[in-house]
Amino acid sequence: SYELTQPPSVSVSPGQTASITCSGDKLESIYVSWYQQKPGQSPLLVIYQDNKRPSGIPERFSGSNSGNTATLTISGTQAMDEADYSCQAWDRNSVVFGGGTKLTVL
Amino acid sequence: QVQLVESGGGVVQPGRSLRLSCAASGFTVDSYGMHWVRQAPGKGLEWVAVISYDGNKKYYADSVKGRFTISRDNPKNTLYLQMSSLRTEDTALYYCAKGSGNYSNDYWGQGTLVTVSS
Repeated sequence: SYELTQPPSVSVSPGQTASITCSGDKLESIYVSWYQQKPGQSPLLVIYQDNKRPSGIPERFSGSNSGNTATLTISGTQAMDEADYSCQAWDRNSVVFGGGTKLTVL
Repeated sequence: QVQLVESGGGVVQPGRSLRLSCAASGFTVDSYGMHWVRQAPGKGLEWVAVISYDGNKKYYADSVKGRFTISRDNPKNTLYLQMSSLRTEDTALYYCAKGSGNYSNDYWGQGTLVTVSS
Protein backbone atom coordinates (compact mmCIF):
# COMPACT_ATOMS: atom_id res chain seq x y z
CA SER A 1 0.00 0.00 0.00
CA TYR A 2 1.04 3.57 -0.62
CA GLU A 3 2.94 5.34 2.16
CA LEU A 4 3.56 8.98 2.99
CA THR A 5 6.48 9.97 5.22
CA GLN A 6 6.70 13.16 7.29
CA PRO A 7 9.28 14.33 9.81
CA PRO A 8 7.93 13.94 13.36
CA SER A 9 8.75 17.50 14.33
CA VAL A 10 9.77 20.86 12.91
CA SER A 11 10.71 23.96 14.86
CA VAL A 12 10.58 27.57 13.67
CA SER A 13 11.03 31.00 15.17
CA PRO A 14 8.15 33.47 15.03
CA GLY A 15 8.17 35.44 11.79
CA GLN A 16 10.35 32.89 10.00
CA THR A 17 9.40 30.38 7.29
CA ALA A 18 8.45 26.83 8.22
CA SER A 19 8.67 24.00 5.72
CA ILE A 20 7.08 20.63 6.34
CA THR A 21 7.77 17.83 3.88
CA CYS A 22 5.77 14.80 2.84
CA SER A 23 7.46 12.06 0.81
CA GLY A 24 6.01 9.29 -1.29
CA ASP A 25 6.83 7.35 -4.42
CA LYS A 26 6.15 9.51 -7.50
CA LEU A 27 4.07 11.78 -5.28
CA GLU A 28 3.96 14.52 -7.92
CA SER A 29 1.59 12.32 -9.96
CA ILE A 30 -1.19 12.57 -7.35
CA TYR A 31 -2.80 15.46 -5.50
CA VAL A 32 -1.71 16.24 -1.96
CA SER A 33 -3.73 17.98 0.72
CA TRP A 34 -2.59 19.33 4.08
CA TYR A 35 -4.46 19.50 7.39
CA GLN A 36 -3.78 21.48 10.52
CA GLN A 37 -4.86 20.01 13.84
CA LYS A 38 -4.61 21.78 17.16
CA PRO A 39 -4.99 19.92 20.48
CA GLY A 40 -8.56 18.86 21.11
CA GLN A 41 -9.75 20.05 17.69
CA SER A 42 -10.75 18.35 14.47
CA PRO A 43 -8.47 18.58 11.42
CA LEU A 44 -8.72 21.74 9.32
CA LEU A 45 -7.99 21.67 5.59
CA VAL A 46 -5.32 24.28 4.77
CA ILE A 47 -4.11 23.19 1.32
CA TYR A 48 -5.77 21.03 -1.36
CA GLN A 49 -4.73 19.91 -4.83
CA ASP A 50 -1.08 20.55 -3.97
CA ASN A 51 -1.22 24.33 -3.75
CA LYS A 52 -4.76 25.68 -3.42
CA ARG A 53 -6.00 27.42 -0.30
CA PRO A 54 -9.59 27.00 0.92
CA SER A 55 -11.52 30.13 1.67
CA GLY A 56 -10.48 31.64 4.99
CA ILE A 57 -6.98 30.15 5.09
CA PRO A 58 -4.31 32.85 5.38
CA GLU A 59 -2.05 33.55 2.41
CA ARG A 60 1.00 32.63 4.47
CA PHE A 61 0.09 28.99 3.89
CA SER A 62 1.28 27.58 0.57
CA GLY A 63 2.03 24.20 -0.92
CA SER A 64 4.04 22.56 -3.65
CA ASN A 65 4.52 19.06 -5.01
CA SER A 66 7.41 17.90 -7.15
CA GLY A 67 9.11 14.59 -7.70
CA ASN A 68 8.67 12.47 -4.60
CA THR A 69 8.11 15.33 -2.16
CA ALA A 70 5.29 17.67 -1.31
CA THR A 71 5.98 20.67 0.89
CA LEU A 72 3.77 22.81 3.09
CA THR A 73 5.29 26.24 3.60
CA ILE A 74 4.20 28.72 6.23
CA SER A 75 5.66 32.17 5.67
CA GLY A 76 5.89 34.60 8.57
CA THR A 77 4.94 31.86 11.02
CA GLN A 78 2.83 32.96 13.94
CA ALA A 79 2.39 31.44 17.37
CA MET A 80 -1.15 30.44 16.39
CA ASP A 81 0.31 28.18 13.68
CA GLU A 82 1.74 25.81 16.28
CA ALA A 83 -0.09 22.55 15.59
CA ASP A 84 0.18 19.10 14.05
CA TYR A 85 0.19 19.04 10.26
CA SER A 86 -0.71 15.98 8.20
CA CYS A 87 -0.43 15.41 4.49
CA GLN A 88 -2.97 13.34 2.59
CA ALA A 89 -3.03 11.74 -0.83
CA TRP A 90 -5.63 9.77 -2.74
CA ASP A 91 -4.16 6.65 -4.30
CA ARG A 92 -6.51 4.75 -6.59
CA ASN A 93 -9.30 3.52 -4.33
CA SER A 94 -7.86 4.51 -1.00
CA VAL A 95 -6.72 7.54 0.93
CA VAL A 96 -3.44 7.79 2.77
CA PHE A 97 -2.25 10.14 5.50
CA GLY A 98 1.28 10.89 6.50
CA GLY A 99 2.23 10.27 10.10
CA GLY A 100 1.95 13.96 10.99
CA THR A 101 4.46 16.65 11.90
CA LYS A 102 4.37 18.66 15.10
CA LEU A 103 5.23 22.27 14.33
CA THR A 104 6.68 24.14 17.28
CA VAL A 105 6.95 27.92 17.16
CA LEU A 106 9.60 29.08 19.59
CA GLN B 1 -23.67 25.98 7.16
CA VAL B 2 -22.13 22.52 6.87
CA GLN B 3 -22.18 20.51 10.05
CA LEU B 4 -21.26 16.90 10.82
CA VAL B 5 -22.19 15.37 14.16
CA GLU B 6 -20.94 11.90 15.04
CA SER B 7 -22.46 9.65 17.68
CA GLY B 8 -22.51 6.03 18.78
CA GLY B 9 -19.07 5.70 20.31
CA GLY B 10 -18.47 4.02 23.64
CA VAL B 11 -16.66 1.24 25.45
CA VAL B 12 -17.03 -2.21 23.89
CA GLN B 13 -15.39 -5.57 24.47
CA PRO B 14 -13.11 -7.14 21.89
CA GLY B 15 -15.03 -9.15 19.33
CA ARG B 16 -18.23 -7.17 19.76
CA SER B 17 -19.92 -4.76 17.35
CA LEU B 18 -20.76 -1.07 17.33
CA ARG B 19 -22.46 1.28 14.88
CA LEU B 20 -21.38 4.88 14.47
CA SER B 21 -23.59 7.57 12.99
CA CYS B 22 -22.80 10.91 11.42
CA ALA B 23 -25.67 13.33 10.98
CA ALA B 24 -25.03 15.86 8.23
CA SER B 25 -26.62 19.25 7.71
CA GLY B 26 -26.04 22.09 5.29
CA PHE B 27 -25.54 19.70 2.37
CA THR B 28 -26.81 16.31 1.22
CA VAL B 29 -24.67 13.21 1.71
CA ASP B 30 -25.76 11.81 -1.65
CA SER B 31 -23.99 14.65 -3.44
CA TYR B 32 -20.49 14.03 -2.11
CA GLY B 33 -18.20 11.19 -1.20
CA MET B 34 -18.21 10.66 2.55
CA HIS B 35 -15.37 9.29 4.66
CA TRP B 36 -14.57 7.88 8.05
CA VAL B 37 -11.15 8.71 9.46
CA ARG B 38 -9.85 7.63 12.86
CA GLN B 39 -7.16 8.77 15.23
CA ALA B 40 -5.79 6.53 17.95
CA PRO B 41 -4.82 8.32 21.18
CA GLY B 42 -1.66 10.33 20.60
CA LYS B 43 -1.33 9.07 17.04
CA GLY B 44 -1.85 10.39 13.52
CA LEU B 45 -4.85 10.29 11.25
CA GLU B 46 -5.79 6.97 9.63
CA TRP B 47 -8.27 6.78 6.79
CA VAL B 48 -10.90 4.07 7.35
CA ALA B 49 -13.48 4.05 4.55
CA VAL B 50 -15.24 6.02 1.84
CA ILE B 51 -18.62 5.78 0.14
CA SER B 52 -18.99 7.43 -3.26
CA TYR B 53 -21.53 10.20 -3.87
CA ASP B 54 -23.86 7.77 -5.65
CA GLY B 55 -23.39 5.03 -3.08
CA ASN B 56 -22.18 2.56 -5.68
CA LYS B 57 -18.59 2.39 -4.55
CA LYS B 58 -17.26 1.65 -1.11
CA TYR B 59 -13.59 1.29 -0.26
CA TYR B 60 -11.86 0.36 2.96
CA ALA B 61 -8.46 0.45 4.57
CA ASP B 62 -6.82 -2.96 4.72
CA SER B 63 -6.90 -2.79 8.52
CA VAL B 64 -10.72 -2.84 8.60
CA LYS B 65 -11.65 -4.62 5.38
CA GLY B 66 -14.13 -7.42 6.03
CA ARG B 67 -14.97 -6.12 9.51
CA PHE B 68 -16.33 -2.59 8.90
CA THR B 69 -19.13 -1.49 6.59
CA ILE B 70 -19.83 2.06 5.49
CA SER B 71 -23.36 3.05 4.48
CA ARG B 72 -25.72 5.97 4.45
CA ASP B 73 -29.40 6.82 4.73
CA ASN B 74 -30.22 9.54 2.23
CA PRO B 75 -33.62 10.60 3.68
CA LYS B 76 -31.99 10.94 7.10
CA ASN B 77 -28.90 12.57 5.56
CA THR B 78 -26.80 10.35 7.79
CA LEU B 79 -23.61 8.34 7.31
CA TYR B 80 -22.93 5.13 9.21
CA LEU B 81 -20.03 2.89 10.08
CA GLN B 82 -20.93 -0.61 11.20
CA MET B 83 -17.98 -2.08 13.05
CA SER B 84 -17.77 -5.76 13.92
CA SER B 85 -15.15 -8.10 15.35
CA LEU B 86 -13.65 -5.12 17.11
CA ARG B 87 -10.06 -5.28 18.28
CA THR B 88 -8.16 -3.30 20.87
CA GLU B 89 -6.26 -1.61 18.04
CA ASP B 90 -9.55 -0.14 16.78
CA THR B 91 -9.59 2.14 19.82
CA ALA B 92 -9.65 5.68 18.42
CA LEU B 93 -11.55 8.88 17.90
CA TYR B 94 -13.63 8.34 14.77
CA TYR B 95 -14.31 11.32 12.53
CA CYS B 96 -16.67 11.55 9.61
CA ALA B 97 -15.47 13.87 6.89
CA LYS B 98 -17.07 15.28 3.77
CA GLY B 99 -15.31 14.81 0.46
CA SER B 100 -14.75 18.10 -1.28
CA GLY B 101 -14.75 16.78 -4.84
CA ASN B 102 -11.15 18.03 -5.04
CA TYR B 103 -9.31 15.08 -3.49
CA SER B 104 -9.58 16.43 0.01
CA ASN B 105 -11.91 16.57 3.02
CA ASP B 106 -13.26 20.05 3.53
CA TYR B 107 -15.46 19.50 6.58
CA TRP B 108 -14.96 17.28 9.61
CA GLY B 109 -17.10 16.37 12.57
CA GLN B 110 -15.94 16.60 16.17
CA GLY B 111 -15.43 12.84 16.40
CA THR B 112 -16.83 10.05 18.55
CA LEU B 113 -14.58 7.97 20.79
CA VAL B 114 -14.51 4.19 20.51
CA THR B 115 -12.70 2.24 23.20
CA VAL B 116 -12.24 -1.49 22.73
CA SER B 117 -11.30 -3.06 26.01
CA SER B 118 -12.14 -6.08 28.11
